[in-house]
Amino acid sequence: DVKVTQSSRYLVKRTGEKVFLECVQDMDHENMFWYRQDPGLGLRLIYFSYDVKMKEKGDIPEGYSVSREKKERFSLILESASTNQTSMYLCASRDRGDRVSNQPQHFGDGTRLSIL
Amino acid sequence: KQEVTQIPAALSVPEGENLVLNCSFTDSAIYNLQWFRQDPGKGLTSLLLIQSSQREQTSGRLNASLDKSSGRSTLYIAASQPGDSATYLCAVRVSGGSNYKLTFGKGTLLTVNP
Repeated sequence: DVKVTQSSRYLVKRTGEKVFLECVQDMDHENMFWYRQDPGLGLRLIYFSYDVKMKEKGDIPEGYSVSREKKERFSLILESASTNQTSMYLCASRDRGDRVSNQPQHFGDGTRLSIL
Repeated sequence: KQEVTQIPAALSVPEGENLVLNCSFTDSAIYNLQWFRQDPGKGLTSLLLIQSSQREQTSGRLNASLDKSSGRSTLYIAASQPGDSATYLCAVRVSGGSNYKLTFGKGTLLTVNP
């Protein structure tokens, strides 16, 4: 089974802090994703990485950056945390596969981040 | 722009009932559609993935169908159990443009009462 592990289940930080959220997958997947999930808004894509050192902006990248130095690890960085970044953050990975269209996304358990 | 809608937003049924969750999408140019389950405060668990060329997929008591031309999918749950209580989300992967991403519906909150 695919295992996507997020380093923290709950995190409390202060406004202005630099925050790192870590995600590790154990299936050698090329593609990794960061989402945030908010009541009434659903899941929204922040960033996507299709391979090591490669990244693309999702729908809501403002205030965030990412790092993918190794294939198994994808980090989300809040450069200067603000209260409107309080949310549930979900990491996912997907195998590129030989037919790119047909691989499912697998999610971690999420990090509930509170910015005070 | 692809939009995904799930109806109803919430559903409460007695244990043992068969039920159907609905998902509709506006752009039929998709690679696949995926159904997920989310327990409170947890991440998403992948249930079924239907490729655009398929009509349905089955896993245990779950059956998902896809009608790409009409932009609809259903998730059928047979003989529901209290352990099925969760939020169910559908997501589509578009085949043009930004084809790496999934577009999610807002989910159906299912409660199965003992």
